[in-house]
Amino acid sequence: SQQGEEDPQALSIQEGENATMNCSYKTSINNLQWYRQNSGRGLVHLILIRSNEREKHSGRLRVTLDTSKKSSSLLITASRAADTASYFCATDAVKGGGNKLTFGTGTQLKVEL
Amino acid sequence: GAGVSQSPRYKVTKRGQDVTLRCDPISSHATLYWYQQALGQGPEFLTYFNYEAQPDKSGLPSDRFSAERPEGSISTLTIQRTEQRDSAMYRCASSLGGPSGSEKLFFGSGTQLSVL
Repeated sequence: SQQGEEDPQALSIQEGENATMNCSYKTSINNLQWYRQNSGRGLVHLILIRSNEREKHSGRLRVTLDTSKKSSSLLITASRAADTASYFCATDAVKGGGNKLTFGTGTQLKVEL
Repeated sequence: GAGVSQSPRYKVTKRGQDVTLRCDPISSHATLYWYQQALGQGPEFLTYFNYEAQPDKSGLPSDRFSAERPEGSISTLTIQRTEQRDSAMYRCASSLGGPSGSEKLFFGSGTQLSVL
């Protein structure tokens, strides 16, 4: 079963625009991570935000976390064609989670020239 | 090694055969994960190891699936009596392992399993 759900399922934007995708999850977490997957290839870690953090930046990426709403958002600014990929959030549950990391369903981002 | 290595890259087998997939994690990493990913879906958790211990195997779909990491490094995932529904990408990942909660995962390229 998937703990997280990303929204939207698919997003198409023009190069230079910002892309925002959201993740909702069900149980209390230790941290939340975002991963990128290019066209069926391996997943690459983008950013990790801990449950006591509200916002984090890394280059053109900005992640927010709202634990009261059990949701997170990933903002990619000034998008490029190379950002075309699927984006997944992943969480580990506080209760009984251990190191188990559960992925969401993904947002498919297409950045057009 | 420099990264997480999985073999084989592709595996085609006939229904009813057993298959074994291999994962060689980053050498300093304590924690190793196995995931199953269907096309267009997110990775589904199968099991994970902390060194040789296997604290959680709740994601294994049936008793036909088993995983080992006997020396706390290389791991194998074995599927017995394969069925067509087992066809998927199987991904291995490793991490340093933290005292609480998960840390950044490094993924291998995966093994694409096709059961005919």
